[in-house]
Amino acid sequence: QVQLMQSGPEVKKPGTSVKVSCKASGYTFTDYFIHWVRLAPGQGLEWMGWMKTRSATSRLAQKFQGRLTLTMETSVTTVYMEIHRLTSDDSAMYYCAAEMTPKTFHLWGRGTMVTVSS
Amino acid sequence: QSALTQPPSASGSLGQSVTISCTGTRSDVGGYNFVSWYQKHPGNAPKLLIHDVNKRPSGVADRFSGSKSGYTAYLTVSGLQADDEADYYCFSYAGSNSPYVFGSGTKVTVL
Repeated sequence: QVQLMQSGPEVKKPGTSVKVSCKASGYTFTDYFIHWVRLAPGQGLEWMGWMKTRSATSRLAQKFQGRLTLTMETSVTTVYMEIHRLTSDDSAMYYCAAEMTPKTFHLWGRGTMVTVSS
Repeated sequence: QSALTQPPSASGSLGQSVTISCTGTRSDVGGYNFVSWYQKHPGNAPKLLIHDVNKRPSGVADRFSGSKSGYTAYLTVSGLQADDEADYYCFSYAGSNSPYVFGSGTKVTVL
C-alpha cells in the first residue's frame, strides 16, 4: 500500500545533529516530491523544505538554510532530513509528506519525535 | 515568510457550521489558487481536507468546503460532528522565492 514510513524517536543534546528518514513504498519513488514539515509544542505547522526525488535536488525554507540538509537514496526509496546545531527550539514532531498533486500533500508519514535536551 | 493569519479558535454546536478564515498577501493566497487545508488531531498526522482552494480529495466528507476571496481563503465545516474537534491549518504556495507557508492554525471546538 502507498505509505511513508519514518524512523523512530530521537533524543539529542544541544549542538549535535539528528538525521530522520522517510521511506516511501507503494508507488514510484521518483514520481513525487517529498516535503518536510514540523510541529513544535504550542506552535503551528512549519514547512521546512522539499526534495525533488527525480533529480535529487532540494529546496529549503530560508529559516533553515545552512542548518538543514536533505538527501535521498533511490535504491532504498528513502529521503533523509538532517538538522545540525540543534537547540531546544528544534524539539518537535517531524513529518514527511508526498506532493502527489501540485502543491498538495496527500500522503503523510506518521511523524518522528525529536527531543533536544541537555 | 510569515505564517498566514488564522483565528486561534472557533466553535460551533453539533450539527451547526463553522467557517475559518486564512488571510495572506498577494504573494501567497492572493496570488495563486494553491491553497489547501489540513486537519490535525493530537497524535495523528495532518490530513488533507481541501486542495486547490475548493477541491475535495476522494474520501473527504462533503461537509468540508473551501473558497477564496482576494487574499483570504475560507474553510467551512457544515453539520459539525464531535470528531471535527481538531486543529485546522491552511497552506499556500508562495512563489519560487519562499515556496510554501502554513497558516497559524485554528482550534475548532464542538460544543
